[in-house]
Amino acid sequence: GIQVEQSPPDLILQEGANSTLRCNFSDSVNNLQWFHQNPWGQLINLFYIPSGTKQNGRLSATTVATERYSLLYISSSQTTDSGVYFCAVQTINDYKLSFGAGTTVTVRA
Amino acid sequence: GAVVSQHPSWVICKSGTSVKIECRSLDFQATTMFWYRQFPKQSLMLMATSNEGSKATYEQGVEKDKFLINHASLTLSTLTVTSAHPEDSSFYICSASQLGGALGGYTFGSGTRLTVV
Repeated sequence: GIQVEQSPPDLILQEGANSTLRCNFSDSVNNLQWFHQNPWGQLINLFYIPSGTKQNGRLSATTVATERYSLLYISSSQTTDSGVYFCAVQTINDYKLSFGAGTTVTVRA
Repeated sequence: GAVVSQHPSWVICKSGTSVKIECRSLDFQATTMFWYRQFPKQSLMLMATSNEGSKATYEQGVEKDKFLINHASLTLSTLTVTSAHPEDSSFYICSASQLGGALGGYTFGSGTRLTVV
């Protein structure tokens, strides 16, 4: 099956800092999503971004499908940004959504 | 946007009993729903694909007789953990999509935290 690798595994930020999370995948995809899992376990869909660039407030994401990676940018981080960020992908021939191991982000005041 | 409702949010049960978890798509029909399990500080692992009107497809290593899945309608899938044991304690999450993820991706329920004592 497809391999999804996220880096870094852990990230500690000072409030106000910017950061970049990376997701590499091993096959062509027709769906890529970034999620934020809050402390209660809820998975919040941040972006549906199989290709291109999107922005939503302080967050933005870019997927370069031909090079099989995606980046999630967090600008002016806030303590509420803390949590685990997951990248998940789906290949053309499969309905399954495969998750990376996640990046745990801790934003300190 | 697409909303997936999952109940209960948490449940504590005695070892040997069964627990049923419901997953509903509130504003769309879902012919396919997915059930995931997540252990502490780990990623989500797909357990099974729930297909409306037919048998579920289980991932390798998941006991189909222990984790019963029923997808009786286009808006409801249920996961029943039968004869639960402490090792079944975990966070269970369902997901669904209107068009197999091709448009807009997948939406997840809020999850069910199961504790077996």
